[in-house]
Amino acid sequence: DIQMTQSPSTLSASVGDRVTITCRASQSVNYWLAWYQQKPGKAPNLLIYKASSLKSGVPSRFRGSGSATDFTLTISSLQPDDFATYYCQQYNTYPVTFGQGTKLEIK
Amino acid sequence: QVLLVQSGAEVKKPGASVKLSCTASGYTFSNFYMHWVRQVPGQGLEWMGVISPSSGSTTYTQKLQGRVTMTRDTSTSTFYMELNSLRPEDTAVYYCARDRQELVRGNYYDPWGQGTLVTVSS
Repeated sequence: DIQMTQSPSTLSASVGDRVTITCRASQSVNYWLAWYQQKPGKAPNLLIYKASSLKSGVPSRFRGSGSATDFTLTISSLQPDDFATYYCQQYNTYPVTFGQGTKLEIK
Repeated sequence: QVLLVQSGAEVKKPGASVKLSCTASGYTFSNFYMHWVRQVPGQGLEWMGVISPSSGSTTYTQKLQGRVTMTRDTSTSTFYMELNSLRPEDTAVYYCARDRQELVRGNYYDPWGQGTLVTVSS
């Protein structure tokens, strides 16, 4: 199975900050990578697919980049609604696998 | 709008089986694969498998092979996931998640159902 490793596990930031979350795959997943946002008690919500394609309706402050084994999710200016847990997911190879999550907390 | 409504919470004893449902609406049922993903409380996400809505063909994670069965009922636009020989470590929230891409297995998910908590305890 392809292992997905996110860093950091927890990130403390303030409204207006620019933050970056990293996701590393144990082998190349090409650009078959998605990012999800999850709030407590809710299902995950798709933000980005194919590494950098923004789902319609997702604010443009979210940006995905990378390929092969190294990917990033950048939020350019944090808003109060952005404090949540973020997961990366590779879908290059079955079984589909997720990162362990990055919890974005208010500083 | 696209909606996935899952069945309610379940409490089961070790060794028992559970069958969860996910009723789809707001889109053409036969055009989108459905996946199941579970999440142990406070932990990460684990993909369980996928089912074709048209043929019923399935692909499961090897970890659950032999214990999981995914089916669908086209007459009611409902998907089912049955897990047998339950263990305490199967305690989790189980989500159905529709494939984002139409007619192919894109393997990324949007939207998701609201989740069903399954508790396995003696």
